[in-house]
Amino acid sequence: AQKVTQAQTEISVVEKEDVTLDCVYETRDTTYYLFWYKQPPSGELVFLIRRNSFDEQNEISGRYSWNFQKSTSSFNFTITASQVVDSAVYFCALRVGANSKLTFGKGITLSVRP
Amino acid sequence: ETGVTQTPRHLVMGMTNKKSLKCEQHLGHNAMYWYKQSAKKPLELMFVYSLEERVENNSVPSRFSPECPNSSHLFLHLHTLQPEDSALYLCASSFGLVDEQFFGPGTRLTVL
Repeated sequence: AQKVTQAQTEISVVEKEDVTLDCVYETRDTTYYLFWYKQPPSGELVFLIRRNSFDEQNEISGRYSWNFQKSTSSFNFTITASQVVDSAVYFCALRVGANSKLTFGKGITLSVRP
Repeated sequence: ETGVTQTPRHLVMGMTNKKSLKCEQHLGHNAMYWYKQSAKKPLELMFVYSLEERVENNSVPSRFSPECPNSSHLFLHLHTLQPEDSALYLCASSFGLVDEQFFGPGTRLTVL
């Protein structure tokens, strides 16, 4: 069975602070895919990144960076110099092999105060 | 229109009503999905369609009935719902079943 744990439920930071959102996953499969989605107040989930299990390279995209560590089954997301527009719920998700089903974590509510 | 659109954005219905949610994707994708998002719970996958064929039905009550007339449109027909069915219903699409999914803005459903 697959499982995604986002232990942090709510995080509040002041603008320009760096913030890391944690994601721990569980699966026995060797081929899997990890995702991060952002859900702003408008409701739609915005795709941020996909990482497959064979690629442990960290990724940076502007102020966003992701740290994939298979040894600890973690796929953490860091926002550098946070902005008010980063306020949203962030979901980590896991898909295994060729299965289409995404297993989502419960999400982390990030509030960035001016 | 671009991306994934959903109508209506908000819906209030009584337990005896029949209503339908509509999803349309303009991305040329072949797979479409319905998710339910309840407060304090992870997103729950309800249905998956690939090339208009249903490929997954995750033990969803029969009061929810999906329809996929073509690869661009997906409906969720609702009848005799319960108050606990109140949630945000999200539609998503992807090029193939293993590709990243793109979501619509959702329909906020309230069942009285």
